[in-house]
Amino acid sequence: GAGVSQSPRYKVAKRGQDVALRCDPISGHVSLFWYQQALGQGPEFLTYFQNEAQLDKSGLPSDRFFAERPEGSVSTLKIQRTQQEDSAVYLCASSLVGQVGYEQYFGPGTRLTVT
Amino acid sequence: AQKVTQAQTEISVVEKEDVTLDCVYETRDTTYYLFWYKQPPSGELVFLIRRNSFDEQNEISGRYSWNFQKSTSSFNFTITASQVVDSAVYFCALSELYSGNNRKLIWGLGTSLAVNP
Repeated sequence: GAGVSQSPRYKVAKRGQDVALRCDPISGHVSLFWYQQALGQGPEFLTYFQNEAQLDKSGLPSDRFFAERPEGSVSTLKIQRTQQEDSAVYLCASSLVGQVGYEQYFGPGTRLTVT
Repeated sequence: AQKVTQAQTEISVVEKEDVTLDCVYETRDTTYYLFWYKQPPSGELVFLIRRNSFDEQNEISGRYSWNFQKSTSSFNFTITASQVVDSAVYFCALSELYSGNNRKLIWGLGTSLAVNP
């Protein structure tokens, strides 16, 4: 079946621009996660949704980062006034249920480069 | 605090060699889950295995095997008869049960495995 998809795959933004990154989770998956992965590092948690509810946003680095999942399916991660330090791969993952301990399935990521 | 340590940053082997990737974790909880993921050069993280803290049985899947030892807080991953297609970054990750609304995975820094022909 279809996996997690993300768009765009690559995004170049000038410093100060706003960007929106889209994630389509696996159909029927309750949980959705956003991670940020810098080059040579492991993923760093940003935020977590259970259906449309954003239950944890403790990893968002600043108030320039905003995520939503209004209908409990597709999610958008928005970054306002991008800075060079925002350059990274943004990974989306989904999980079938809301309980802890279930594997997360990842999309291919969006590579954001801020110039 | 929860933490995952993958002490090996890079490993290089010749095809058909066996290789073990180490993972050591720290957690305060008695119920937790451990994972291994593979990230090939294409970039997409691929789920390999999940293990809960009450199941210490070792697992074998083809050329892959995992050794979970609670006594040493380790969850090591062995690839037998490595192949070039095994070249990737491998991540170990931890999730705790009693974490409230927190469902996040705590990740190690990854081990980059290069299998040379």
